[in-house]
Amino acid sequence: EVQLVESGGGLVQPGGSLRLSCAASGFTFSSYWMHWVRQAPGKGLVWVSRINSDGSSTSYADSVKGRFTISRDNAKNTLYLQMNSLRAEDTAVYYCARDLAIFGVDVGYFDLWGRGTLVTVSS
Amino acid sequence: DIQMTQSPSSLSASVGDRVTITCQASQDISNYLNWYQQKPGKAPKLLIYDASNLETGVPSRFSGSGSGTDFTFTISSLQPEDIATYYCQQYDNLPPTFGQGTKLEIK
Repeated sequence: EVQLVESGGGLVQPGGSLRLSCAASGFTFSSYWMHWVRQAPGKGLVWVSRINSDGSSTSYADSVKGRFTISRDNAKNTLYLQMNSLRAEDTAVYYCARDLAIFGVDVGYFDLWGRGTLVTVSS
Repeated sequence: DIQMTQSPSSLSASVGDRVTITCQASQDISNYLNWYQQKPGKAPKLLIYDASNLETGVPSRFSGSGSGTDFTFTISSLQPEDIATYYCQQYDNLPPTFGQGTKLEIK
């Protein structure tokens, strides 16, 4: 089955760290750029970060730059998001999503999403 | 960042109605505009990509149009299962940005 499954969310105190994982199955993971998108409770979708197919290029939203690190292990078909110095405003459901690469360039639409993992930052 | 403005923010319509949602970009994004459906407690689902292309498996009652700064998403005949929040998303420039969403309800 083609799917993405996130894990690693939970309750963390402000200033703490978490590492999210996104396990991919049923498709050629290394052919896709991958993204993290988050959604605060009752709010809209906000893009967080992306990584290219081989992990050599990454991008971040200004709100997480310097605090979050995206990475991937194509041998394990897994995407990661290391989140440090967490703030209350980082509280959200975090989704991973795939983005097909054609001739090395991502197409820019997210055709498969995981179910999400909830991160709560609170003391 | 490119701002995406959706309207309306919420919409109530009857089964069988034609429903239209608009999305305006703060600058020209060519056709790099996608539409997603999100049902409560679920992940978003891609419906339309590159402004007007229907994603595989999506019913043909969904359609999209537009280019530049003004885009339209249409459901030709509203069905009960279409109750959801709909988001537009641009990918012309980083960061990708989403509209604020349109919550669609059945009248």
